[in-house]
Amino acid sequence: AQSVTQPDIHITVSEGASLELRCNYSYGATPYLFWYVQSPGQGLQLLLKYFSGDTLVQGIKGFEAEFKRSQSSFNLRKPSVHWSDAAEYFCAVGPPGGGADGLTFGKGTHLIIQP
Amino acid sequence: DGGITQSPKYLFRKEGQNVTLSCEQNLNHDAMYWYRQDPGQGLRLIYYSQIVNDFQKGDIAEGYSVSREKKESFPLTVTSAQKNPTAFYLCASSIDARTPQETQYFGPGTRLLVL
Repeated sequence: AQSVTQPDIHITVSEGASLELRCNYSYGATPYLFWYVQSPGQGLQLLLKYFSGDTLVQGIKGFEAEFKRSQSSFNLRKPSVHWSDAAEYFCAVGPPGGGADGLTFGKGTHLIIQP
Repeated sequence: DGGITQSPKYLFRKEGQNVTLSCEQNLNHDAMYWYRQDPGQGLRLIYYSQIVNDFQKGDIAEGYSVSREKKESFPLTVTSAQKNPTAFYLCASSIDARTPQETQYFGPGTRLLVL
């Protein structure tokens, strides 16, 4: 079965600094990978997704992610964070080989922005 | 505006009581999903539905039931058999469940508390 690991439960970054959130997956087929963001008490919003092609994916709000098959990783990056980026970030993997089994999520990384 | 609505925002359940969470979408999406979110656990799939009058169990279906009588509606019932129902419940939908790279759009969530 597929699984997603987000090694960092909490990350604290100063406003204006760069950010990298880690995501590793375990998968037996071509992965479909997603990053979502969740503000407190809210639903999830898609930041970006990868399913084929260019391994560097651009998303909304200035985020990007790079798929590295050799490392089984899909890390999320942002060159300069803003206080409004404070939120919970989830990496997710789509169902193997098609189908409709829903997404498998990591446990999330809580991002704290220091002034 | 198109989107997913969930109601109520907060729901209280007494011991031994069944409660139903509402999820409605006007995106004309075929697939709908229910996830449960616990602190530090990420999201886990409860049930999903690819099409009207059809639904499948997810990873943690025990103690829950669903129906899909209309394309736009996918209510979730938390039964008395669910011994630990306190959680944040998120409904999602996607255009076509058979295409794994399709984005899942999430509702704002319902927080269920046990009295």
